[in-house]
Amino acid sequence: DVKVTQSSRYLVKRTGEKVFLECVQDMDHENMFWYRQDPGLGLRLIYFSYDVKMKEKGDIPEGYSVSREKKERFSLILESASTNQTSMYLCASRTGTNYGYTFGSGTRLTVV
Amino acid sequence: LAKTTQPISMDSYEGQEVNITCSHNNIATNDYITWYQQFPSQGPRFIIQGYKTKVTNEVASLFIPADRKSSTLSLPRVSLSDTAVYYCLVGDMGYNFNKFYFGSGTKLNVKP
Repeated sequence: DVKVTQSSRYLVKRTGEKVFLECVQDMDHENMFWYRQDPGLGLRLIYFSYDVKMKEKGDIPEGYSVSREKKERFSLILESASTNQTSMYLCASRTGTNYGYTFGSGTRLTVV
Repeated sequence: LAKTTQPISMDSYEGQEVNITCSHNNIATNDYITWYQQFPSQGPRFIIQGYKTKVTNEVASLFIPADRKSSTLSLPRVSLSDTAVYYCLVGDMGYNFNKFYFGSGTKLNVKP
């Protein structure tokens, strides 16, 4: 069964910390994504990557950066965490030839 | 990219058929319609996809009229475990598929 694995289910960080959220997929998918989900706002795309070392901004990239050094791994970086980045973060991947996103289980990040 | 409009929430009872309609007036010729389901504390998962007329799988049916400006997800004989948020997505299979707008979806509440 295909899998997208996010390194942490729950995370608590302090304001100003640099935070790394890791995502690994085992399906050899070209495309990987980071979303955040907040009540009433649905899923919002932060960044995506369509190849190793390639990245593109989504709808809300401010305050975030990403890294994709290997095809299977896509990292989301909060350069200096703030309380308004408290959210559920979802990683997803898809191959370039179909419509199906495969999502991870999410990381619930709390910034205090 | 075609924006979609769905009801914010719906209530149903166990054993009933549920129909969730999605409007996508600006759908393009190459766009497909895809539906996802999300349970609390999990990432969305693919349910069904179609281009025109009717598609059926073991989980749901998707009805798409000739003008394709809307679509209806039909869940037969729902159970309590179908309580979830359902997202309608519209887009083509190309590069722009990476910028899908998930929106807030429709929260389906199934009652006993």
